[in-house]
Amino acid sequence: QKEVEQNSGPLSVPEGAIASLNCTYSDRGSQSFFWYRQYSGKSPELIMSIYSNGDKEDGRFTAQLNKASQYVSLLIRDSQPSDSATYLCAVTGSARQLTFGSGTQLTVLP
Amino acid sequence: DVKVTQSSRYLVKRTGEKVFLECVQDMDHENMFWYRQDPGLGLRLIYFSYDVKMKEKGDIPEGYSVSREKKERFSLILESASTNQTSMYLCASGLAGGTTGELFFGEGSRLTVL
Repeated sequence: QKEVEQNSGPLSVPEGAIASLNCTYSDRGSQSFFWYRQYSGKSPELIMSIYSNGDKEDGRFTAQLNKASQYVSLLIRDSQPSDSATYLCAVTGSARQLTFGSGTQLTVLP
Repeated sequence: DVKVTQSSRYLVKRTGEKVFLECVQDMDHENMFWYRQDPGLGLRLIYFSYDVKMKEKGDIPEGYSVSREKKERFSLILESASTNQTSMYLCASGLAGGTTGELFFGEGSRLTVL
């Protein structure tokens, strides 16, 4: 079982819609949770971090964390073609190391 | 802005060659990491360092070694390159402490081993 699992996609949404990206993790001792965005041919960049249960909003992005269900998600409201990228979920486990999921490829259709 | 610079964007090497990948960061970060990224496998941690002269094995250290002689520089060494080490290599840096997952990545080094 992978430590951090994501649907690989591809996920396609129309422009202006809400894109929902999901991630589950296996280490119950995980403390910190991150979403990275990676454009094709580029390196990952951090877009959201969340450390406690609930929602965290930053502009059009909302990260949601449910530690009891070992689930973290990223919502992108009013999706734009420029949001088309691969989104990587990352989790800092009890060993303090950051473990990445394999990513979900998102395409926003104009 | 944080800048993480990797010395080579593209390299082509022969099987058995020794390969050096250099990474320099300019933000005085304590933590530095080397990942490799392969399609369908995501980012996998090779080695990391939380301090000068300190190194720790990640998930896939076999066939690799690292060097951190200065705080800003973290080098990845492939002692004898093999074809299964063909990959994108990503260096990252970050602050120490609780936010050890907030990383800044370099542009990557795409290595092809023939």
